[in-house]
Parts: sequence; structure tokens; C-alpha cells
Amino acid sequence: DGGITQSPKYLFRKEGQNVTLSCEQNLNHDAMYWYRQDPGQGLRLIYYSQIVNDFQKGDIAEGYSVSREKKESFPLTVTSAQKNPTAFYLCASSFTATYEQYFGPGTRLTVT
Amino acid sequence: GQQLNQSPQSMFIQEGEDVSMNCTSSSIFNTWLWYKQEPGEGPVLLIALYKAGELTSNGRLTAQFGITRKDSFLNISASIPSDVGIYFCAGQSGNQFYFGTGTSLTVIP
Repeated sequence: DGGITQSPKYLFRKEGQNVTLSCEQNLNHDAMYWYRQDPGQGLRLIYYSQIVNDFQKGDIAEGYSVSREKKESFPLTVTSAQKNPTAFYLCASSFTATYEQYFGPGTRLTVT
Repeated sequence: GQQLNQSPQSMFIQEGEDVSMNCTSSSIFNTWLWYKQEPGEGPVLLIALYKAGELTSNGRLTAQFGITRKDSFLNISASIPSDVGIYFCAGQSGNQFYFGTGTSLTVIP
């Protein structure tokens, strides 16, 4: 089955620790995205990548980092510099930046 | 980022009723998307609109790309309990999509 997978579904970390969220797709999409979702709010873009080895900051990139070494994979690291990391994180992919995006199931990160 | 105003914020309707929701912006968008999200899950794409004035259906769902390119509408006909969820619009400008804050739909059997 083609799709986007995110793991784990739930993640718990202590404050001050970096944590990496996984996102893999087998849709042969060039573009991949990371969004953050907080209760009652729309999705906010953290980072996006239109091609391997290239990525751009979104609206709320501070405290996050990404890499795009393979077309299928776009991991997100939430660093200790992110002031309010507890949130629902969604990964998406599309054929191009202007084409419809498909989302993974999300990872709920709780930092205490 | 770009601002999308989505309304209504929430709706409580009886099963069988029709539903209408919309998204508006002060900016022009080139593509409009509509998604449905259930609790704890990722959004699922319902309808994609690529051309001003375009009207597209997906089963009981119909969406339109506004002529001004600054708005879009989603209608759900004859609602059923499984329509419950949060519906998001998204507008594309440049290399990004911008998302509305969602319409929460509750269907009362």
C-alpha cells in the first residue's frame, strides 16, 4: 500500500532532550512537509523540502531541524531550544509544491 | 503567513441536514484543498480545486473555488453520523499551503 508513515504515534520526552520524529513516504513524491497542530488552531508549517538535500524554513522553524538525505524520508528533530514542544506533529507529501498534499497519521509529542 | 478565515467555527446539525462552510482570505490563492480530520488522526484530502469558478463533487460533498480566488465553499448534503470531524480548508500561494482553523461538525442522530 502506498502512503505516508509516521512513527511513533505517541512520544514522551523530558524537557531539555532532543527528539527525532520519523516520516517516510512511498508515493514517489518530491515534496515533503512538517506541520505543527495545537488545539483549536490550524496547521502551521515548520519546514518543507522540494527536493533531496534541500529544505526551507516555514513560519515556525525556530527550535526545529530537518534533513532530506533520501526522497522517501524527511525526519524532524525537535531540539531543546523549542520553547513549547508539546503538540501534534503532522508530516505531508506532494508531487510538487503546488500540488495537493497527503498527510501521515501524526505523532503526538509530550514534553514534561 | 497568509490568513484564512474559516466559518463557522462549529456546527451542530441533525442527521439528514445539509451543511455549508466556507473559507475566505484577503489574498489570492491558486489552489484550494478541503480536508477532514478525525481526533488523533491526520487530515484526509476530500476535494482539490485548481481553477477559479471550478465546482467539484466527491459523493455527497461539493466544493467550489470562488471566482475572486479569495474564497472557497464546501457543502455536505444529507449528513450522516460518520461525517463528524473537523473540516479544514487550505489555500496555496507560492510554495506553501495555508490552513484555516477548521470547522467542527457534530451530527446528531
